[in-house]
Amino acid sequence: QVQLQESGPGLVKPSQTLSLTCSVSSDSINNGSYYWNWIRQPAGKGLEWIGRISTSGSTNYNPSLKSRVTISVDTSKNQFSLRLISVTAADTALYFCARHKSARFDYWGQGSLVTVSS
Amino acid sequence: DIQVTQSPSSLSASIGDRVSITCRASQNISTYLNWYQQKPGKAPNLLIFAASSSQSGVPSRFTGGGSGTDFTLTVSDLQPEDRATYYCQQSFTSPITFGQGTRLEIK
Repeated sequence: QVQLQESGPGLVKPSQTLSLTCSVSSDSINNGSYYWNWIRQPAGKGLEWIGRISTSGSTNYNPSLKSRVTISVDTSKNQFSLRLISVTAADTALYFCARHKSARFDYWGQGSLVTVSS
Repeated sequence: DIQVTQSPSSLSASIGDRVSITCRASQNISTYLNWYQQKPGKAPNLLIFAASSSQSGVPSRFTGGGSGTDFTLTVSDLQPEDRATYYCQQSFTSPITFGQGTRLEIK
């Protein structure tokens, strides 16, 4: 059973950088068939796709966040990461990592709550 | 960007009822449409992929249909555990987009 687990600080100060890591187990992040994604959900609101990275390192980002987002992969650790700069209170959300295979999100992490506050 | 619009935003039904949720895409997405169920505090769970294919382990009372721009998720024989928020999502092109969600309450 594939498992994804988010980790990172739960509190980030405004204007600083949000950094999260997703650790993947029971599957190789090197598998060429997949994209590895970040998705977020503000409390009480819907799902927003942030972006994705392929095993070759190619990335796609949501245009609404593109200027502030970087997604990277560390194949040696079987992990991928999210970096979001210049955060504001609007970036407070539950952040999910997810595997995208054959045009669908089939495995998700449990989510990591990040609050932006001073 | 392709917009996906869900309706209704919420609905209430009784045990044993049949309910339907619709999702309309702003352009033709063929069958690149998936449905997810999300319970409070949990990650979304894939129910239906490619518009009408059931994910392994999902009860047969969940069915999907449609193609092009109009899609439907139907839940038959409603059960208490079906209380959740349901989202559609298109994978036709980047950026990937989700519908606004439909909250299903059980009377």
